[in-house]
This record gives sequence, structure tokens and C-alpha cells, in this order.
Amino acid sequence: ETGVTQSPTHLIKTRGQQVTLRCSSQSGHNTVSWYQQALGQGPQFIFQYYREEENGRGNFPPRFSGLQFPNYSSELNVNALELDDSALYLCASSLGSNAPQYFGPGTRLTVT
Amino acid sequence: KQEVTQIPAALSVPEGENLVLNCSFTDSAIYNLQWFRQDPGKGLTSLLLIQSSQREQTSGRLNASLDKSSGRSTLYIAASQPGDSATYLCAVINTNAGKSTFGDGTTLTVKP
Repeated sequence: ETGVTQSPTHLIKTRGQQVTLRCSSQSGHNTVSWYQQALGQGPQFIFQYYREEENGRGNFPPRFSGLQFPNYSSELNVNALELDDSALYLCASSLGSNAPQYFGPGTRLTVT
Repeated sequence: KQEVTQIPAALSVPEGENLVLNCSFTDSAIYNLQWFRQDPGKGLTSLLLIQSSQREQTSGRLNASLDKSSGRSTLYIAASQPGDSATYLCAVINTNAGKSTFGDGTTLTVKP
């Protein structure tokens, strides 16, 4: 059984640029959730996708958008990057929206 | 709006000591509560999940309890070891949203 994977591991972008982060779900999981974790804080929920449809969204602006593909992998896109977007971005997969979540290792995004 | 608080923010204990980590939440309409471990700069590892109908879960030296009426959960770690040093996070999933709300974690240091 393959766990949750994320790419890239690290990324450095300039303010105003756009970025795409990728997540592959654990085998058989149909739900993916994305989180932003600033240093020293708990993860903050960005949004969740269930069977390719957005199934809940946290308090993040529209420049944070996502996709889920038929194989249940997912992308997080962030437009017009700001310095405060610098964080660890985590994705988690689960079998259903209320099931236990399994996290990937995260992508460390630095915006300069 | 669900709020999750973890106290203390940091804890340092000698090896072998039993310890309790606390998690409190404001909205008792939860679907489940999950405890995670996070090593520095890494993703989250699931430790225990408690369904809203359950009172506790055990795995090895770990025991998690849930009291929905008081909005509290505890994670008990028996016979602590230096390898237990990490940040411990609790997360609740509300029944109406499918999103997880995390606390900011307790950073545990176990001294040899």
C-alpha cells in the first residue's frame, strides 16, 4: 500500500508568482484535504475534495484553488503569491470526508 | 466556529515519566477526534482516532480519552522515551463540515 506523497519537497517563489503543489492519495482513498501550516502553529484547513468536487473550504481567499483528478490525486494552486503564504503545505487523504486522515510529508513553500 | 486549544504549549520531562497532554474544543458537535505526532519539518503521523461515540482508544503506550460533554480529550503517554520527543497535535472533525480543526500542539521533550 502506497502512502500519501507530495511534490515538490521544497519550493522558492517570488511574490506575485503562481505555484502548483501536487498530492497523490493513499491507494483507495477518494478524499483529499489541503492544509497550510505556519511555523509554530497547527495546520489550517484550506479545502477538501471528495470525488473531484470541492467539499468544504476554510477561510482562505479565492487565489487558493484546487483540483482533484479521476485517480484522486490533487493539486493546490496559489496565485499572486504573498510573503505570508510562506508555510508548510500538507495534504491528507481519507476514505470519505469524516474518516481518519493520512498525511503526506508536506511541501515547504518560501515566498521572497 | 470550532476552536481547539492545547495546553501546555511545551513540556519537558525525564525519561520514564508518565505524562498527559490536553486538548479542549468549544463545539461538541464533533464526528471524531484524532491525535497526531509531528517531527520537526515533517508531515503528521496519526496516533489515535476516537469516534464521537467512543470514550477512549489505546495503542501500545498511548491512551486517548474523549469527553464530548466537557469538550476535552487527553493523550496519556506511559513510560516516556527520548524517541517520543515531538509535537503532538489534536484535531477535531465537525459533523457538519468534514473539515478538521487543529490545535497548535504541545511540544514534548523527553530527556535521557
